[in-house]
Amino acid sequence: GAVVSQHPSRVICKSGTSVKIECRSLDFQATTMFWYRQFPKQSLMLMATSNEGSKATYEQGVEKDKFLINHASLTLSTLTVTSAHPEDSSFYICSAGRLAYGGYANTGELFFGEGSRLTVL
Amino acid sequence: AQSVTQLDSHVSVSEGTPVLLRCNYSSSYSPSLFWYVQHPNKGLQLLLKYTSAATLVKGINGFEAEFKKSETSFHLTKPSAHMSDAAEYFCVVIDGGSNYKLTFGKGTLLTVNP
Repeated sequence: GAVVSQHPSRVICKSGTSVKIECRSLDFQATTMFWYRQFPKQSLMLMATSNEGSKATYEQGVEKDKFLINHASLTLSTLTVTSAHPEDSSFYICSAGRLAYGGYANTGELFFGEGSRLTVL
Repeated sequence: AQSVTQLDSHVSVSEGTPVLLRCNYSSSYSPSLFWYVQHPNKGLQLLLKYTSAATLVKGINGFEAEFKKSETSFHLTKPSAHMSDAAEYFCVVIDGGSNYKLTFGKGTLLTVNP
């Protein structure tokens, strides 16, 4: 199947610093990427939908100034956690939808990255 | 609005015995349903998907699920559990309407005892 790569897989940073997480679709073009946050032993919570060349759409309760999303190309979306604090520590996962006639979602062509574990000290 | 309920947060089975992970959904439109598996500190891997074709769906690693509209269920089964099946499993729904966002269940942790 298609491959989505996230980098870094683990990052530890000091409180107040910014951290960038990359999500790349390696062998297909992704018009839409999704960013999720997963707390320990919980399900994935959608943070935002990232569309190539346009502003991301954030879910209710997600601070857009805190979690900056850029989707500059069809193969790369980035999530930047700005001025990170310990409560931002979490597992962040991206998924990418492959271009498909009729819309990717109905065909299940949605592929997940391996996740990035952020720890803020 | 769409929602997913995974009826068991934790299922424990012995190796070689059947697995049943239960999922009920609600959807305003004809839904697409998926099961994903997540191993510790890893991303999600698609096990199988239902997209309005055959109601009995076969996936990878011997898993299958049956879409039952009358019961609004999409339970995941496997005839014989293997130690490597131990992981977190998520039932996911996508509404067939204009909303293409995934809605995740809370997950079921499957443990397999030797």
